[in-house]
Amino acid sequence: SQTIHQWPATLVQPVGSPLSLECTVEGTSNPNLYWYRQAAGRGLQLLFYSVGIGQISSEVPQNLSASRPQDRQFILSSKKLLLSDSGFYLCAWSEYRGNSPLHFGNGTRLTVT
Amino acid sequence: SQKIEQNSEALNIQEGKTATLTCNYTNYSPAYLQWYRQDPGRGPVFLLLIRENEKEKRKERLKVTFDTTLKQSLFHITASQPADSATYLCALEAHGQNFVFGPGTRLSVLP
Repeated sequence: SQTIHQWPATLVQPVGSPLSLECTVEGTSNPNLYWYRQAAGRGLQLLFYSVGIGQISSEVPQNLSASRPQDRQFILSSKKLLLSDSGFYLCAWSEYRGNSPLHFGNGTRLTVT
Repeated sequence: SQKIEQNSEALNIQEGKTATLTCNYTNYSPAYLQWYRQDPGRGPVFLLLIRENEKEKRKERLKVTFDTTLKQSLFHITASQPADSATYLCALEAHGQNFVFGPGTRLSVLP
């Protein structure tokens, strides 16, 4: 069966520090991969999605970047965190077909202080 | 502009009653729509998918309808239980393989 791992679960970082969140998927190949952010009491905002290695699409201009160095690995990064980067970050995968549901990890709660 | 709305931020109902949640959208033409459940501090979990050519979909106590003319989906939980308390999110296919989520409705089922 397929599983998705996302870490760390919580993270407290000072403003201006770098960020690296990692997500890996097991049990499937060539998945679509996604990074979402959820602000407190708000909906899910799509940040990045990827349909293959090295193929990243950005949905919103921001202080973050994403990379997909391997088929089942998706990394969210920032060189310098802002206070507004605080939130709940969720990685998800779906099969490479249009109506496949999203499968989410358990998220990373990021607090920028 | 494009918009997805869910009827209310929070909904309280008595145990045993039917909960009905609404998802309305503007300026999208989704080929399908999905519903997810999210518990506090966890990622959303997929519940149901309904295609544009389907009027209704059922899964155990859950029922989803999809009206492309009204641009609306209804999500029903029959015989609700306190364990159904969670936030429910609708998501629609935006373009290609992207999903856009509504803000969610927090459902509380009171014993």
